[in-house]
Amino acid sequence: AQSVTQPDIHITVSEGASLELRCNYSYGATPYLFWYVQSPGQGLQLLLKYFSGDTLVQGIKGFEAEFKRSQSSFNLRKPSVHWSDAAEYFCAVGALGTGNQFYFGTGTSLTVIP
Amino acid sequence: DVKVTQSSRYLVKRTGEKVFLECVQDMDHENMFWYRQDPGLGLRLIYFSYDVKMKEKGDIPEGYSVSREKKERFSLILESASTNQTSMYLCASTGQGSPYNEQFFGPGTRLTVL
Repeated sequence: AQSVTQPDIHITVSEGASLELRCNYSYGATPYLFWYVQSPGQGLQLLLKYFSGDTLVQGIKGFEAEFKRSQSSFNLRKPSVHWSDAAEYFCAVGALGTGNQFYFGTGTSLTVIP
Repeated sequence: DVKVTQSSRYLVKRTGEKVFLECVQDMDHENMFWYRQDPGLGLRLIYFSYDVKMKEKGDIPEGYSVSREKKERFSLILESASTNQTSMYLCASTGQGSPYNEQFFGPGTRLTVL
């Protein structure tokens, strides 16, 4: 069965520091992987996605993610965090089938300290 | 730009009331989804629809029903609202074909049942 694990419920970083949010997935085939961000009171916005090709994917707002098949991971990174990055981050895997469902992790809440 | 709109941002209802949450997308997407978002639980799929009048249960369909009479509109119905249905409800849509197609989200409806 498909599943996504985000082991960190909450992370606090200082502005300007680097960031890594962890995501592990379980999926029987080649996964379609996504990272979304949700600012307070808002819907989800796509940061980046991956299916094949270069395992380092660039996204919006200066984010990148690296796919590591051997570790079943798709971690999100940013070299220097800005206060506006404070939000909830969700990792998801897309599944083949009717409706092409997504399976979401439980999210990681990011706090940025000035 | 894809737009997914939800009829209300905030809604307060009483226990036992029938509640309708409306979602409209303007990109001719075949697939539409209703999620429920609760702290620590991430996004959980309630129902999805892959075509007009077609629907499938997600992970937590109990206490909910849906309606899709037109391609652009997907409604979530709480037949008799209960306090444990107080939550944030998110609608999403995506096109047919590859699960690499991202899901586009509406801004959410925060429902409080008193």
